[in-house]
Amino acid sequence: GAVVSQHPSWVICKSGTSVKIECRSLDFQATTMFWYRQFPKQSLMLMATSNEGSKATYEQGVEKDKFLINHASLTLSTLTVTSAHPEDSSFYICSARDPTAYANTGELFFGEGSRLTVL
Amino acid sequence: GIQVEQSPPDLILQEGANSTLRCNFSDSVNNLQWFHQNPWGQLINLFYIPSGTKQNGRLSATTVATERYSLLYISSSQTTDSGVYFCAVEEEGGGNKLTFGTGTQLKVEL
Repeated sequence: GAVVSQHPSWVICKSGTSVKIECRSLDFQATTMFWYRQFPKQSLMLMATSNEGSKATYEQGVEKDKFLINHASLTLSTLTVTSAHPEDSSFYICSARDPTAYANTGELFFGEGSRLTVL
Repeated sequence: GIQVEQSPPDLILQEGANSTLRCNFSDSVNNLQWFHQNPWGQLINLFYIPSGTKQNGRLSATTVATERYSLLYISSSQTTDSGVYFCAVEEEGGGNKLTFGTGTQLKVEL
């Protein structure tokens, strides 16, 4: 299947700093990527849809100024957690669909995830 | 938005046992996927199954879209099957995004 890679896998930062997480599609071009957030022992919740060359679409309740998303190329989307606080500590995971395969499968593939701990 | 409920929430099995995990959803869907989340958090694609039945080794899945449910069967379970199983659906007209179910935490013991 399609390969999606995230970096870093884990990051620890001090409160008040900003952290950038990268999501790359390695063997296909993705016009759309999705960012999810998962708290311990809970399900994945969609945060936003990242659109190449345009603004991201945020889900209700997600602060767009807090979670900056940039999708500057067809293979890279970034999520920046600005002025991070301990409550932002979570597992962040991105996903993408190979558009050339969508007509056949519609299957979404996920990155490895990034575990953020804010001290 | 669409609601996706999974049952049971927790399951403990002896190695070698069989199990059935259920996913109910509240509205019509375009797509449905099953995932296994390993202890490191990575989501492993198990099935893309908006309808019908598929099998892959000891795993199989069935989706009855008209009745809004899907089942994941695990046969001859192994300790490596432990983890959390999620179903996720793409709601019709939902913009190609997946909504995840509540998950089933599976533990397989020797």
